[in-house]
Amino acid sequence: AQSVAQPEDQVNVAEGNPLTVKCTYSVSGNPYLFWYVQYPNRGLQFLLKYITGDNLVKGSYGFEAEFNKSQTSFHLKKPSALVSDSALYFCAVRANTNAGKSTFGDGTTLTVKP
Amino acid sequence: DGGITQSPKYLFRKEGQNVTLSCEQNLNHDAMYWYRQDPGQGLRLIYYSQIVNDFQKGDIAEGYSVSREKKESFPLTVTSAQKNPTAFYLCASSISGAAMNTEAFFGQGTRLTVV
Repeated sequence: AQSVAQPEDQVNVAEGNPLTVKCTYSVSGNPYLFWYVQYPNRGLQFLLKYITGDNLVKGSYGFEAEFNKSQTSFHLKKPSALVSDSALYFCAVRANTNAGKSTFGDGTTLTVKP
Repeated sequence: DGGITQSPKYLFRKEGQNVTLSCEQNLNHDAMYWYRQDPGQGLRLIYYSQIVNDFQKGDIAEGYSVSREKKESFPLTVTSAQKNPTAFYLCASSISGAAMNTEAFFGQGTRLTVV
């Protein structure tokens, strides 16, 4: 079975500082990894994805994520956080071995303080 | 504008009632999904459909039913058999359910409350 773990329920950073939101995964076969962001009472918005190739993936709003196969991780990063980045972030994985269904982590609430 | 529209935004259900949540997309996507979101539990898959006239149970299908008679539409019915239906429901679509490299597009959600 595939799974995703987001070990931190909450991440707090100061505006202008770098941020990291952690994600580890478990799948059989090659993983396809995604990050989504959710603002209060809204749907999820796609940020970025890793399919193959470069381990560092760049996405929307200045976010990037690093795929590490040996550590089975896909951490979301941003060099300089903004107050407007405060939201709920979800990591998700898909794999051929699970009929293409996505498995989501439980989410990490990011709070950026001025 | 292309996108996914869920309606209503808020829905109240009395005990023993069936209610139907609407989901429409004009993205020409083949695959559509229904998720339930509870605080601290992430998203759990209720049903998904990879093509018109076909759908599959997800991880928590009991007490729910769906239909996929048109490509654009994937309504979810919450039946009286669902004992704890209060939650935030999200509909999503993707270009193809079989293509692993495609991301999902989400609607704005329906918040269902049992009164």
